[in-house]
Amino acid sequence: KAGVTQTPRYLIKTRGQQVTLSCSPISGHRSVSWYQQTPGQGLQFLFEYFSETQRNKGNFPGRFSGRQFSNSRSEMNVSTLELGDSALYLCASSFGGGMNSPLHFGNGTRLTVT
Amino acid sequence: ELKVEQNPLFLSMQEGKNYTIYCNYSTTSDRLYWYRQDPGKSLESLFVLLSNGAVKQEGRLMASLDTKARLSTLHITAAVHDLSATYFCAVFAGGTSYGKLTFGQGTILTVHP
Repeated sequence: KAGVTQTPRYLIKTRGQQVTLSCSPISGHRSVSWYQQTPGQGLQFLFEYFSETQRNKGNFPGRFSGRQFSNSRSEMNVSTLELGDSALYLCASSFGGGMNSPLHFGNGTRLTVT
Repeated sequence: ELKVEQNPLFLSMQEGKNYTIYCNYSTTSDRLYWYRQDPGKSLESLFVLLSNGAVKQEGRLMASLDTKARLSTLHITAAVHDLSATYFCAVFAGGTSYGKLTFGQGTILTVHP
């Protein structure tokens, strides 16, 4: 069974640009969550999607947005990039997103903003 | 707001020794997870602890959960170099916290010969 797939693995962008990251969940999983990992702030929850609807959102500015498609694949977009957005972005999928659905993480996208 | 604290944050061990990582959390939860992360890699699920008194073991690692004390422990027995990694505990707050785990800061474990 294929795991969670994130593309691309690495990205280098310039301040002010925007970026789109992609996540394909495990087959049959309908919930996709996104996390940001930085050395200073650790692992922080961005948002969660289920059946194309955002059900939960963390404390990030509106520059961070996402969406989910009918096949459960998800994309995350960051607009007007700032240096502080440099991070490892992790996507996780689960069957339902609730407490009985363990999260399975992808390998992440390493974003560097210069 | 749910807070999760791990200690120690850094742990340098000799091979063959035993040690424990502690994870405290601030609000009621009966879903606690332990993950391992190698440098530059993703999070690998180690244990899911679902109820008070739960104990799970895999190889040299054993995890337990005390929901009344809001405490989980990850015990390392006879450490080997391959266990060197960062270990995170994470708590699910329940209710409508869909897809959201609150993570501890992580414990960087280094095992020396």
